[in-house]
Amino acid sequence: GAGVSQSPSNKVTEKGKDVELRCDPISGHTALYWYRQRLGQGLEFLIYFQGNSAPDKSGLPSDRFSAERTGESVSTLTIQRTQQEDSAVYLCASSLGGQRLTQYFGPGTRLLVL
Amino acid sequence: RKEVEQDPGPFNVPEGATVAFNCTYSNSASQSFFWYRQDCRKEPKLLMSVYSSGNEDGRFTAQLNRASQYISLLIRDSKLSDSATYLCVVNALSGNTGKLIFGQGTTLQVKP
Repeated sequence: GAGVSQSPSNKVTEKGKDVELRCDPISGHTALYWYRQRLGQGLEFLIYFQGNSAPDKSGLPSDRFSAERTGESVSTLTIQRTQQEDSAVYLCASSLGGQRLTQYFGPGTRLLVL
Repeated sequence: RKEVEQDPGPFNVPEGATVAFNCTYSNSASQSFFWYRQDCRKEPKLLMSVYSSGNEDGRFTAQLNRASQYISLLIRDSKLSDSATYLCVVNALSGNTGKLIFGQGTTLQVKP
């Protein structure tokens, strides 16, 4: 079946502009996660959605970062007033939720802020 | 102390070698453990779950030591295609149980 998809695959923007990244999880997966991975670094947790529960936003690095999710489907991660240090790969993952923890990742969006 | 710690490596081994990675975790109440693999410029993919009694999948063997809070991955008869970064993953128990904590990864380079 279809895996997690993300768009765009690459995004180049100028410092100060806003960007919106999209994630389509695997159908039926109630949990959705966003991570950031800087070049040569590990995964940095950003935010976690589980069904209708309040999202876990504990990983968002600043108030310039926000994410929304429509029901149990598409999610968008928005970065306002981008900075050069926001340049990274943004990875989305989904899982069946609850105690079913195995996460399946999308291919990521490579963001470059000039 | 990091919640999940791994030796970043790189581990450089010849084809056919056996190599082992260890990972330690800080939360003694963690219940779920995984190894993920990440190829260069690709997304992480599940390699295997780690069960209490240890488990094997072909050339890969995972072990869990709850008393010492560490997890290991053993790769036998290394192939060139095993070259990747191996991520140790543990579930977080503070708040939402659905959250996983990823280690920084251990890089393996298998040489001909």
